[in-house]
Amino acid sequence: AQSVSQHNHHVILSEAASLELGCNYSYGGTVNLFWYVQYPGQHLQLLLKYFSGDPLVKGIKGFEAEFIKSKFSFNLRKPSVQWSDTAEYFCAVMTNRDDKIIFGKGTRLHILP
Amino acid sequence: DGGITQSPKYLFRKEGQNVTLSCEQNLNHDAMYWYRQDPGQGLRLIYYSQIVNDFQKGDIAEGYSVSREKKESFPLTVTSAQKNPTAFYLCASSQYGLGTGELFFGEGSRLTVL
Repeated sequence: AQSVSQHNHHVILSEAASLELGCNYSYGGTVNLFWYVQYPGQHLQLLLKYFSGDPLVKGIKGFEAEFIKSKFSFNLRKPSVQWSDTAEYFCAVMTNRDDKIIFGKGTRLHILP
Repeated sequence: DGGITQSPKYLFRKEGQNVTLSCEQNLNHDAMYWYRQDPGQGLRLIYYSQIVNDFQKGDIAEGYSVSREKKESFPLTVTSAQKNPTAFYLCASSQYGLGTGELFFGEGSRLTVL
């Protein structure tokens, strides 16, 4: 069965630091990849997604992610974080086998002002 | 406004009782999902439905049941067979057929078993 692994459970950074959150998935076929964010007290919402084409995708609020097929990875990046980026981030994968969308365990990001 | 409505927001249940969580969407989406969110566990898929009158088990379906009699509704029943039902439950929908996979989430229902 497909699975998603997020390497960092809790990350603490200072404002203006660069961010990279790791995400790996296990599935050999075609995938759609997602990053979702849950700000404190808010709904889960889509940050960015990859379906096909350019492996470097850009999302909202200056986030981007790169799909590296050979590494089964879809890491999330932001060059300079802000205090308002404090949230929990979830990587998710949808395979071409079914319409299940499987999530990783999440990474709690805490930005120090 | 289009969206997903979950109710109740908070629910308390005694052990041995079944409880049903409601999920309604007016986005005209074909696919609907139920996830369970526990601290440190992320979101785990309970059941999903791609079309009316059809649904599939997710990774943790034991102790849960669903129905999909209408496109806009996908209620989840937490039965007494669920060993550890206290959790936060999220309903979501997506536009099946276009392959977008993007999920739209409700606000969630927090179930506490006393």
